[in-house]
Amino acid sequence: DTAVSQTPKYLVTQMGNDKSIKCEQNLGHDTMYWYKQDSKKFLKIMFSYNNKELIINETVPNRFSPKSPDKAHLNLHINSLELGDSAVYFCASSQALGAMNTEAFFGQGTRLTVV
Amino acid sequence: ELKVEQNPLFLSMQEGKNYTIYCNYSTTSDRLYWYRQDPGKSLESLFVLLSNGAVKQEGRLMASLDTKARLSTLHITAAVHDLSATYFCAVDPYYGGSQGNLIFGKGTKLSVKP
Repeated sequence: DTAVSQTPKYLVTQMGNDKSIKCEQNLGHDTMYWYKQDSKKFLKIMFSYNNKELIINETVPNRFSPKSPDKAHLNLHINSLELGDSAVYFCASSQALGAMNTEAFFGQGTRLTVV
Repeated sequence: ELKVEQNPLFLSMQEGKNYTIYCNYSTTSDRLYWYRQDPGKSLESLFVLLSNGAVKQEGRLMASLDTKARLSTLHITAAVHDLSATYFCAVDPYYGGSQGNLIFGKGTKLSVKP
């Protein structure tokens, strides 16, 4: 069973389109994240949710909107896609905030290419 | 703002040799994690270091944490080709309490050659 699964794995789309990436975790974790990995492999936090509540919203264009229908799911919707949005997006989850161990478990990534 | 610096960023080793990757961070933290990423793949958790002086070993890899020096090391012993990957350290930036998000170093791309 995949612990953190995200779909799709690959996404190729034209500039200006709107797209969504879905993420689900079956680890029973309370906290979920979206990270972006750029072409130089640098990983940066975008959003953090704890029990469906937004905790961290880094400097990310408001074209990016996360939605957490329940604590096992955190989806990412992107409006008006731009060339610079091309990257690999990773969903991750960890135990509840305040836990000693905040080890993050990552999904397989979604490679987004905007053309 | 927490900065996490890894060095080297690129490492080419011969099989059988030893080497150490360093991870320095700029603010107090007692939680540090090492991950491995193979090309085109996700991040795999290697080590969880949660206290000063923590040392963990798995096969040819050994990780340690010195919170006073704000330094973690990942030591590779007798490298083999299968260890070729990119290794990331990640730090939880909130000492004593956590928002859970990890700040990642830029990664060390390790290439082990015969």
